[in-house]
Amino acid sequence: QVQLVQSGAEVKKPGASVKVSCKASGYTFTSYYMHWVRQAPGQGLEWMGIINPSGGSTSYAQKFQGRVTMTRDTSTSTVYMELSSLRSEDTAVYYCARTLGGPDDAFDIWGQGTMVTVSS
Amino acid sequence: QSALTQPASVSGSPGQSITISCTGTSSDVGGYNYVSWYQQHPGKAPKLMIYEVSNRPSGVSNRFSGSKSGNTASLTISGLQAEDEADYYCSSYTSSSTLLVFGGGTKLTVL
Repeated sequence: QVQLVQSGAEVKKPGASVKVSCKASGYTFTSYYMHWVRQAPGQGLEWMGIINPSGGSTSYAQKFQGRVTMTRDTSTSTVYMELSSLRSEDTAVYYCARTLGGPDDAFDIWGQGTMVTVSS
Repeated sequence: QSALTQPASVSGSPGQSITISCTGTSSDVGGYNYVSWYQQHPGKAPKLMIYEVSNRPSGVSNRFSGSKSGNTASLTISGLQAEDEADYYCSSYTSSSTLLVFGGGTKLTVL
C-alpha cells in the first residue's frame, strides 16, 4: 500500500543539525511532490517547504530559508529534510506529506512523524 | 500567529451538525480553490478530509463537507459521532512566498 515511513526520533544539542528521512513505497516516487510540515508540542501545523522528487527542485518557507535543505534519492525513493543551527524552538514533530496532485494541492499521504528534541 | 483564522474550539452533541470556519484573504482562501481540511487525533498524523474546497477523498464519510464563500472556507460535520472528536486544520495555497498556509486549528469536542 502507499505509505511514507520516516526515520526515528532524534535528540540534538542547540547549534547542531538534524537530518530526517522519509521513504516512500507503493507508488511512483517521482510522480508526486513532497512537503515537510512540523508541529511543535501543543501547537498547530507549520509548512516548511516542498521538493519535487523528479527533478529535485525545492521551495522553502521564508522562515526557514538558509537553515533547511531538502533533498531526494530516487534510487531508494527517499526524501530528506536537514535543519541546521537548531534551537529549542525547533523541538517539534516533523512530518513528510505527499501531494494529491500538483505542488499546491492537498496532502493525501502523511508519514508517521519524527520527533526532534533540541536540548542542552 | 497563523495566517488563516479558525475558532479555537467548537462543540456539539452526538447527531448534531457543527461548522468550523477558516478565514483568510484574497491572496489565499479567497483567491484559489486549493483549500484543504485535515483531522488530527492526539499523537497521530493528520488525515486529509476535504481537498480543493469541497472534495472528499475516497474513504472519508459523506458526513464531512466543505464550502467557501469569499475569503472564508467552512467544514461542516453532520451527524456528529464520538470518533469525530479531534483537532481540525484548514490549509490553503497562497500567492505569498510561503506557498502554503495553515489555520491555527480547532478542537472539536463531542459532548
